[in-house]
Amino acid sequence: DADVTQTPRNRITKTGKRIMLECSQTKGHDRMYWYRQDPGLGLRLIYYSFDVKDINKGEISDGYSVSRQAQAKFSLSLESAIPNQTALYFCATSDFPTYEQYFGPGTRLTVT
Amino acid sequence: ILNVEQSPQSLHVQEGDSTNFTCSFPSSNFYALHWYRWETAKSPEALFVMTLNGDEKKKGRISATLNTKEGYSYLYIKGSQPEDSATYLCASAYFGNEKLTFGTGTRLTIIP
Repeated sequence: DADVTQTPRNRITKTGKRIMLECSQTKGHDRMYWYRQDPGLGLRLIYYSFDVKDINKGEISDGYSVSRQAQAKFSLSLESAIPNQTALYFCATSDFPTYEQYFGPGTRLTVT
Repeated sequence: ILNVEQSPQSLHVQEGDSTNFTCSFPSSNFYALHWYRWETAKSPEALFVMTLNGDEKKKGRISATLNTKEGYSYLYIKGSQPEDSATYLCASAYFGNEKLTFGTGTRLTIIP
């Protein structure tokens, strides 16, 4: 079984809809991250969490919110989806002190 | 905003040839430099994490060097094989800023 899982793997939604992407991990890491990948822009950090009570904005948090329900679960929500949020979304975990990232399989989100 | 640059953006290499590419990063307050391999339809996987100036790491035919004073790292692939085709991402971390900043990647294609 994969150490970091994401659901759904693919999603098509309409503008204005609320959508939640979920991430679970069995690595026992405290640190979890949400990134989005757009062609030519690399991976950009949306939110990160260093433990259940610690949530931080990344460089592109506008239009997104997160919830850390437990050490193993970190969800990303799009409150009102818009077409420019169409992207590939990755969840990742890391250990301390290397910050080596362990990525989930990704969620391909299309907003029409 | 930290700027991590990778060059070239893309590269085609004949099978059996050796190649290398570059990651440039701000050197002030440097903590660690990461290299990831990202194959199509998969998620990024860590190759190396380096922290010390002059570090050199090796995994099979792939190796990396680090110069923290001038802010660059090289990734080398010796005797390229088709399975080396992937996008190679670098990312840097800094003291007091506990998250990674990714470059946009070098897309490597090995020509059989």
